[in-house]
Amino acid sequence: AQSVSQHNHHVILSEAASLELGCNYSYGGTVNLFWYVQYPGQHLQLLLKYFSGDPLVKGIKGFEAEFIKSKFSFNLRKPSVQWSDTAEYFCAVDSWSTGKLIFGQGTTLQVKP
Amino acid sequence: DTAVSQTPKYLVTQMGNDKSIKCEQNLGHDTMYWYKQDSKKFLKIMFSYNNKELIINETVPNRFSPKSPDKAHLNLHINSLELGDSAVYFCASSQDPGLSYEQYFGPGTRLTVT
Repeated sequence: AQSVSQHNHHVILSEAASLELGCNYSYGGTVNLFWYVQYPGQHLQLLLKYFSGDPLVKGIKGFEAEFIKSKFSFNLRKPSVQWSDTAEYFCAVDSWSTGKLIFGQGTTLQVKP
Repeated sequence: DTAVSQTPKYLVTQMGNDKSIKCEQNLGHDTMYWYKQDSKKFLKIMFSYNNKELIINETVPNRFSPKSPDKAHLNLHINSLELGDSAVYFCASSQDPGLSYEQYFGPGTRLTVT
């Protein structure tokens, strides 16, 4: 069965620190990859997505992610976090564009001002 | 302009009751989904419909029945509610999954079964 693993469950950073959240998936075929963010009390919003092309994807709010096929990874990065980035971050994978998103467990990011 | 809306936002009910959650999208999408987020914030897909036709039906108890009266609506009916059904239920919609689609999520419905 397909699975998505996010290694960091709870990350605490100070403002201006750099961020990298890990995401690995277990499926070897064609995949579409997503990072969603859930701010406290809000719905999920798409940060960025990868379908094909340049494996370095840029998203909203200064986030980017790199797809490394050989490592089955899609790590999320941001060079300098802000207090407003405090949220839950979810990696998700869809194989063969079925629409069936498989989510990781989520990472809680807490940014201290 | 709310893209994907759900009602109610909160739902508190007793075990054994039957309840429904409604979802509507005004994005013109053909595909709609229901997800369940448990107390540990783990999200799992339950169903998806494409143009009123059931496409994805994960291992969900028969007590859960989605209903799509038209492609802009996907309601979730739950019979004989159990304590373990307590969760946040998210509706989502997208264009047909394919090249570069994106799922848009609703605000969620927090269901508490007592």
